[in-house]
Amino acid sequence: DAGVIQSPRHEVTEMGQEVTLRCKPISGHNSLFWYRQTMMRGLELLIYFNNNVPIDDSGMPEDRFSAKMPNASFSTLKIQPSEPRDSAVYFCASSLRLGAPNYGYTFGSGTRLTVV
Amino acid sequence: SQELEQSPQSLIVQEGKNLTINCTSSKTLYGLYWYKQKYGEGLIFLMMLQKGGEEKSHEKITAKLDEKKQQSSLHITASQPSHAGIYLCGADNRGTSGTYKYIFGTGTRLKVLA
Repeated sequence: DAGVIQSPRHEVTEMGQEVTLRCKPISGHNSLFWYRQTMMRGLELLIYFNNNVPIDDSGMPEDRFSAKMPNASFSTLKIQPSEPRDSAVYFCASSLRLGAPNYGYTFGSGTRLTVV
Repeated sequence: SQELEQSPQSLIVQEGKNLTINCTSSKTLYGLYWYKQKYGEGLIFLMMLQKGGEEKSHEKITAKLDEKKQQSSLHITASQPSHAGIYLCGADNRGTSGTYKYIFGTGTRLKVLA
């Protein structure tokens, strides 16, 4: 298995532009998570899905952020309009199921977003 | 809400030395995970602890969950430059409505000097 695949690896955009981050979870995994990592705040859970349904989006910072999971093999995180403070590394992770899996969650390599 | 605090925040050790990283939870842990992150890369799962008093090892890394299930320690024996990176503890934070929120500690940055 290729693992969790995120694209793009790096994204540089101008303030006000729309940014779309993509994630392909491991085949057969039912849960998908979006995280944001910054030096100041560490790893923050933004939203997670179970069986393609958003379960908890309380970590989404503002209405400018939205996430979708149209099918079991694809998810997007969109920021519109983007702002410099959105600059961070965004990680996608997937798991076979929710709740204390013995093998942990599998993370993608992340998308490093820079908004100038 | 549950919080995970790690100590120390950063650590620099000489190759061959032993070291310990701690993770303290504000609530009882249902599952405590340890991950390693190399700079600029994603997280790699190391091990998971669930039972009070449980101890697991992976190569030269040993992790233990205390009996009260509110603190875990990660111990590296005879550290090597390949151990360098950021170590994060993670936990399942069960909500009252049955939802899960997988949270992470603040991370410990480890540098091993050759």
